[in-house]
Amino acid sequence: SAVISQKPSRDICQRGTSLTIQCQVDSQVTMMFWYRQQPGQSLTLIATANQGSEATYESGFVIDKFPISRPNLTFSTLTVSNMSPEDSSIYLCSVEGREGVEAFFGQGTRLTVV
Amino acid sequence: AQTVTQSQPEMSVQEAETVTLSCTYDTSESNYYLFWYKQPPSRQMILVIRQEAYKQQNATENRFSVNFQKAAKSFSLKISDSQLGDTAMYFCAFIGPAYSGAGSYQLTFGKGTKLSVIP
Repeated sequence: SAVISQKPSRDICQRGTSLTIQCQVDSQVTMMFWYRQQPGQSLTLIATANQGSEATYESGFVIDKFPISRPNLTFSTLTVSNMSPEDSSIYLCSVEGREGVEAFFGQGTRLTVV
Repeated sequence: AQTVTQSQPEMSVQEAETVTLSCTYDTSESNYYLFWYKQPPSRQMILVIRQEAYKQQNATENRFSVNFQKAAKSFSLKISDSQLGDTAMYFCAFIGPAYSGAGSYQLTFGKGTKLSVIP
């Protein structure tokens, strides 16, 4: 399994500001994924990030709100822009497994917007 | 579209006992993968076990095993000899045979079951 480091682990932010979450993997991976987990809810895929191309966003998520960078095969960032209290969630990055099937996850970022 | 249903929002089990968590899914695919993930209070999503739909044999990982009923589209998780460290949210998840759409990774999660192991 891949070792995934996600930073920050938690943050409290003022509304209207932006937060960038970093995800570092210990091996090269083709695809990285960003999920949102709202309080008491399941995981919802925000977008898929491939190196060298624009991220693919799921329905209900837009690039202006959640810009993603993928500068190389081991790193990605997710920015939550112009935050509101509704953005308070856990954000998780994940990577595909070695067989390209299961996903392995970072430890998540707990974001609270006040 | 695939859906995953976990009908038990919360469950509890005495330490050292056995508990079964239920999961059903709906898909038109014939080949796919199913997973159970564990999310303890630390928030880390941990892969517990996976099952390939083309394999009839139920997957087993130490104290964790599944009962995969393909015709019934059922995928339950059995935890034997429950331990306090098993206390967590458990999510059932599904993925089709290939990435669907324009590179979109369609890993679909159920709503989760909160399991509490009681000393």
